[in-house]
Amino acid sequence: QVQLQESGPGLVKPSETLSLTCTVSGDSISSPSYYWGWIRQPPGKGLEWIGGIYYDGNTYYNPSLMRRVSISVDRSKNQFALRLTSVTAADTAVYYCVRDRPNRFLEPGWFDPWGQGTLVTVSS
Amino acid sequence: EIVLTQSPETLSLSPGERATLSCGANQSVSYNYLAWYQQKPGLAPRLLIYDASTRATGIPDRFSGSGSGTEFALTISRLEPEDFAVYFCQQYARSATFGQGTRLDIK
Repeated sequence: QVQLQESGPGLVKPSETLSLTCTVSGDSISSPSYYWGWIRQPPGKGLEWIGGIYYDGNTYYNPSLMRRVSISVDRSKNQFALRLTSVTAADTAVYYCVRDRPNRFLEPGWFDPWGQGTLVTVSS
Repeated sequence: EIVLTQSPETLSLSPGERATLSCGANQSVSYNYLAWYQQKPGLAPRLLIYDASTRATGIPDRFSGSGSGTEFALTISRLEPEDFAVYFCQQYARSATFGQGTRLDIK
């Protein structure tokens, strides 16, 4: 059974960098069948796809966040990570890591499973 | 960007009734690249349907997806108490975007 678990600080100051890690168990992050991605959900609101990474390091990002986002992979630890720079209160959200089954064009597809999510609050 | 609009925002029904949730797109979703998710309070979303009509592993057959082009639907044939939740649609034909959600409440 594939499981994903997010970890990282729950509080980040404005203008600083948000950093989260996702640990994958039950599957290899080196699988060529999947991307590994991040999605966020502001409290009480809808879902926003952030981006993802392929096992070979190829990344793809939401155009609206591209200037501030980077996703990396650590195959030795079966983990992948999110960095979001210059955060503001608008970045306060529950952040989910997900396994992404890409579409036929090797672009983002459907997401399954999801981690339990971690709330990150941006506040001084 | 493909914008998805879900309707209704809230649907109030009783257990045993049939639920139909709609998801409309502002442009055609090619290859029927549309998924549906269920989210319960405090939990992560769960994949129900992908490719518009394929049930994910372990999803009961009372859940079905249909549609093509710009109009899609999720139908729950006979509501169980555990089905009352928020439902999101998501397209993956061009990047990935989500609808705003439909809340399914117990009447």
